[in-house]
Amino acid sequence: GAVVSQHPSWVICKSGTSVKIECRSLDFQATTMFWYRQFPKQSLMLMATSNEGSKATYEQGVEKDKFLINHASLTLSTLTVTSAHPEDSSFYICSARALTSGRINEQFFGPGTRLTVL
Amino acid sequence: GQNIDQPTEMTATEGATVQINCTYQTSGFNGLFWYQQHAGEAPTFLSYNVLDGLEEKGRFSSFLSRSKGYSYLLLKELQMKDSASYLCAAMDSNYQLIWGAGTKLIIKP
Repeated sequence: GAVVSQHPSWVICKSGTSVKIECRSLDFQATTMFWYRQFPKQSLMLMATSNEGSKATYEQGVEKDKFLINHASLTLSTLTVTSAHPEDSSFYICSARALTSGRINEQFFGPGTRLTVL
Repeated sequence: GQNIDQPTEMTATEGATVQINCTYQTSGFNGLFWYQQHAGEAPTFLSYNVLDGLEEKGRFSSFLSRSKGYSYLLLKELQMKDSASYLCAAMDSNYQLIWGAGTKLIIKP
């Protein structure tokens, strides 16, 4: 159980276009989903925390107008990278926190989306 | 401030045992997590400690001392497939994970 999926797994796009990444919790409900970015040989960097039905909370230095997050339901959150530029090329990973009380502290990670902006 | 420290890189021999240390400073504490991350993949959950002591799970064990702000991950009978980065993360009072930079474990035959 506790599977999180991401789509797409990888994407290549032209500079200036927008890319949407979906994160789904497949077999559990998640009140909170997290979006991370990871550059090569670096650790995870939290971009934003997304709560179902409310606005996302962005970390310092992350542009909310560039990285649009929508948490439409207890099983789906989307990250849209708007007007992507080559410096946005990175590995984007989502995680979901389970709603069930027994595992409320655990985060389950999606497989990640590798974005390359040309 | 909040901070996680762990070694950048460690090397060990196949079949041996290795201990990866992690110290943390957080605003409040709701547990310590260890994740394994292979290159190009997302992290996978290894362990969670919220009480002091040792939690054993097969070849992997994790230890926590809350008074010292210290944890370690112990990997026994190392296999080549254990070559990966090991991420230590502490959960603060807001249930946010504070991540270490990861320890790259290199295993030699």
